[in-house]
Amino acid sequence: EVLMAQSPATLSVSPGERATLSCRASQSVGSNLAWYQQKPGQAPRLLIYGASTRASGIPVRFSGSGSGTEFTLTISSLQSEDFAVYYCQHYNNWPPITFGQGTRLDIK
Amino acid sequence: QVQLVQSGGGVVQPGRSLRLSCEASGFSFISYVLHWVRQAPGKGLEWLAVISFDGGKKYYADSVKGRFAISRDNSKDTLYLEMNTLRPEDTAVYYCARAVVGADGALDVWGQGTMVTVFS
Repeated sequence: EVLMAQSPATLSVSPGERATLSCRASQSVGSNLAWYQQKPGQAPRLLIYGASTRASGIPVRFSGSGSGTEFTLTISSLQSEDFAVYYCQHYNNWPPITFGQGTRLDIK
Repeated sequence: QVQLVQSGGGVVQPGRSLRLSCEASGFSFISYVLHWVRQAPGKGLEWLAVISFDGGKKYYADSVKGRFAISRDNSKDTLYLEMNTLRPEDTAVYYCARAVVGADGALDVWGQGTMVTVFS
C-alpha cells in the first residue's frame, strides 16, 4: 500500500500571500495524484488531478506540480474562501486508493 | 445539475446492518465508475470501495472487505453500500463519489455525506 504524507500539518498564511503545500508518496505514483479542498461540514472538492490538471471550475490561482513521489499544491494569492483542509490522494495501481492526513490552511 | 444525493444513514448497534443509497442526477450514470469514502469524526478521508460501470468489478479496502458490499442499479441511477457486522470504529460520515472519466481514482462529484453512528 502506498502511504501519503502531507506537510506541514498546519500552515498559517495571510490573505493575498502564496501558500505551498507538500505531499510525498512512499513509492512512485507517477502523475496519478489528486488534491482536494474540504471545508467544515462539507464534502471534499476536487481541485487537481493528474498532478497538475485543474478540475472544472477551479480558479487559476490553484496549481499542482510534481511527479513520482513529490508533489506540491500552490495557491498563488490566498482568498478568504481558501482557508480549509487540503488532502492529497494517489490513484496509481489501485486499489487501494490512499489519502494523505491533510494540511490545515489557517488565516495568519 | 450534476449531483449525488445520499440517504440511509443513522444510529445502529454493533453487529447490525445498514444500507446507504446514493442517487445520481444530471449525468449519464452508467458511464461512470463510482466510489465510497468515509471520514471518522475529526479525522481524514478513508477510501472504502469502488465499482465499475456495469457493476462487474468491485474492490474494497481491507478495513471493510468481507463486511461491506458495493453495488449499483443502473436502471435507477443509484449506488449502494450494504454495511454488515458494523463496529464502533465504522462510525463516520460516508460519502459516495463519481470518478473522473479517464482517471478512475480521482473523484470529481461527491454526495453530501451521511452520518453513520455505531453505538450501543
